[in-house]
Amino acid sequence: GAGVSQSPRYKVAKRGQDVALRCDPISGHVSLFWYQQALGQGPEFLTYFQNEAQLDKSGLPSDRFFAERPEGSVSTLKIQRTQQEDSAVYLCASSLKASGGAGETQYFGPGTRLLVL
Amino acid sequence: AQSVTQPDIHITVSEGASLELRCNYSYGATPYLFWYVQSPGQGLQLLLKYFSGDTLVQGIKGFEAEFKRSQSSFNLRKPSVHWSDAAEYFCAVGLNAGKSTFGDGTTLTVKP
Repeated sequence: GAGVSQSPRYKVAKRGQDVALRCDPISGHVSLFWYQQALGQGPEFLTYFQNEAQLDKSGLPSDRFFAERPEGSVSTLKIQRTQQEDSAVYLCASSLKASGGAGETQYFGPGTRLLVL
Repeated sequence: AQSVTQPDIHITVSEGASLELRCNYSYGATPYLFWYVQSPGQGLQLLLKYFSGDTLVQGIKGFEAEFKRSQSSFNLRKPSVHWSDAAEYFCAVGLNAGKSTFGDGTTLTVKP
């Protein structure tokens, strides 16, 4: 069956450009998460959706970062006026249930590698 | 604040040898603990997870992990490593609402 997919897989942006990263979760999965993984580090939580509702955006590093999931399936992470420190791999994960319980299994996509020059 | 420490940045083992990857956590309650593997260009794949009950957890690909509350540890083990196990391994603590705190990973190299 299809897993979590992300596009584009690679993105090179000039500093100051806006970028949009797409995540297609597993069909029927209620929860969707975005993580940022800097080089040599573990993923860091950015934001969490339950269906179309963004329930937690505490990890977004600045107001240049914006995420949406308007119909409760596909999600887009948008970064405005990109900076060099935004260079990282952006991972999307989905899980079947609403994450009221912390132990719900997350399924990760392959990530989008963003390089800001 | 919750945190996860993986003390070994890089480990090299010979094929067929046993493996232990260390993970220590700081958390205010009984944690949900996970081990993931990440191959180059791939997303993270769940190897195993611990919520409660038996402190020795079996996972996929022949991996197991043992939760030791007294040591705040959740070390990953495999009795005999295969060349295909070369990858990066992440330990994580599951927090409320499902968001996880990850360690910085351990890179495993397997010598032939």
